[in-house]
Amino acid sequence: QSVLTQPPSASGTPGQRVTISCSGSSSNIGSNYVYWYQQLPGTAPKLLIYRNNQRPSGVPDRFSVSKSATSASLAISGLRSEDEADYYCAAWDDSLSGHYVFGTGTKVTVL
Amino acid sequence: QVQLQESGPGLVKPSETLSLTCSVSGGSISSYYWNWIRQPPGKGLEWIGYIYYSGSTNYNPSLKSRVTILLDTSKSQFSLKLNSVTAADTAIYFCARGSGNYAPIGEIDYWGQGTLVTVSS
Repeated sequence: QSVLTQPPSASGTPGQRVTISCSGSSSNIGSNYVYWYQQLPGTAPKLLIYRNNQRPSGVPDRFSVSKSATSASLAISGLRSEDEADYYCAAWDDSLSGHYVFGTGTKVTVL
Repeated sequence: QVQLQESGPGLVKPSETLSLTCSVSGGSISSYYWNWIRQPPGKGLEWIGYIYYSGSTNYNPSLKSRVTILLDTSKSQFSLKLNSVTAADTAIYFCARGSGNYAPIGEIDYWGQGTLVTVSS
C-alpha cells in the first residue's frame, strides 16, 4: 500500500495545463528528494524529474514541479497528445529502516 | 547506452519460488543501486528492493521476509528470488538502476523492459 497519494486521473485538451498532486509525509517528501516517472502505455517507466526539480536531458520544460512541506506537484503545460500516460511520484522513506516508495499513480488523458 | 534485460520463467506455481535475473550491459555495475520493481496488471508500481554494488541490500518491508536479491559482478547480473508466491505476486517485474546521487537509490535512470510473471497452478 503506497504512502504517496495521487489522484487517479487528470485530463485536459491540447494546449491546456494539467497539474498532478502527490501527498506524502515528513518521513518521505518532507525529508527527501521527490522523483517523477512517466509510463507510456505498454512501456517501462521513464525518469521525468529528479532531485525535486531537475529534468533529464530530452525532457521538455513543459514539465515543471513544485514542492511544499510534505507534498509535491507536477504540472504539464501546453498539453500534447504524447503526454497521455501514467505519472508516478516517488521518494525515499526514512521509516522502517528506509525504503523507496512510489505514488499511487495518475492517468493523464488528453481529450 | 546502459541496457537492462530481465529473464526467467513466465509462469510460477503457488507456494514456489519466483526467480528472475537482470543482465546489465553498456555500463559498469559498480557504484550503483540495482533494483527490482513490480507492477501488477493494471495497477501501480511497487518497489521490491535493491542491492548496492558493495553487496548491501534493502527490501520493501512488506516483502522483506520473502525476498532475496543477489549480485554477480563477474557476469554483470543481479537476481531476484521471491519465495512462497501467491496469485497476488502476479505482476510485470522490472529491473532498474538507481544512480545513488545524493540519496539512497537516487533517481532510477535506466529500466529493463519488464517481464510478466504469472503465479498459477
